[in-house]
Amino acid sequence: KNQVEQSPQSLIILEGKNCTLQCNYTVSPFSNLRWYKQDTGRGPVSLTIMTFSENTKSNGRYTATLDADTKQSSLHITASQLSDSASYICVVTPLGFGNEKLTFGTGTRLTIIP
Amino acid sequence: DGGITQSPKYLFRKEGQNVTLSCEQNLNHDAMYWYRQDPGQGLRLIYYSQIVNDFQKGDIAEGYSVSREKKESFPLTVTSAQKNPTAFYLCASSQTGAGANVLTFGAGSRLTVL
Repeated sequence: KNQVEQSPQSLIILEGKNCTLQCNYTVSPFSNLRWYKQDTGRGPVSLTIMTFSENTKSNGRYTATLDADTKQSSLHITASQLSDSASYICVVTPLGFGNEKLTFGTGTRLTIIP
Repeated sequence: DGGITQSPKYLFRKEGQNVTLSCEQNLNHDAMYWYRQDPGQGLRLIYYSQIVNDFQKGDIAEGYSVSREKKESFPLTVTSAQKNPTAFYLCASSQTGAGANVLTFGAGSRLTVL
């Protein structure tokens, strides 16, 4: 069964600090890997999409990396802000399929404290 | 502004009642999706539609029904046959075709069964 596992489950850091969230997946072969940000009680918002051939993708203070050999991805947040408090969800698309076959991770709950 | 509108934001239902969640998009997207989100679990696909007047079951379709009479609208009915309907429901839409098509999510509807 295709799986996407994220760690840690939750993380608390001080405002201004950096952090890295991890995503390990078993979906293989895959076509792309996505990171979403979900504020409490809201819908997820896309941060990055990487194809299997890409190693890194940035969106402002968010940088995602991908190692297709080890089936790992990370999301690095630089100079965290209070507004970064949210859940971050890793999503993988199997090769040959579209959005109807996405595998979602359970997310990492990030809390930024002042 | 283009986007997806879900209503109501909060809904309470007595056991044995059917309820309908509304989802409207003005992004001109062909595909629309309904997901269910439960604490500690990844998003799970209920139904999806890639074209008007056609829809497909997702991974957890039992106890739910949908219709797609217009491109802009994809309402979800939670029937009395759904044994555990209390959850956060997310509607999403995307383009179709080759490549990674970004999912745009609505703000969600929280259903509570009393």
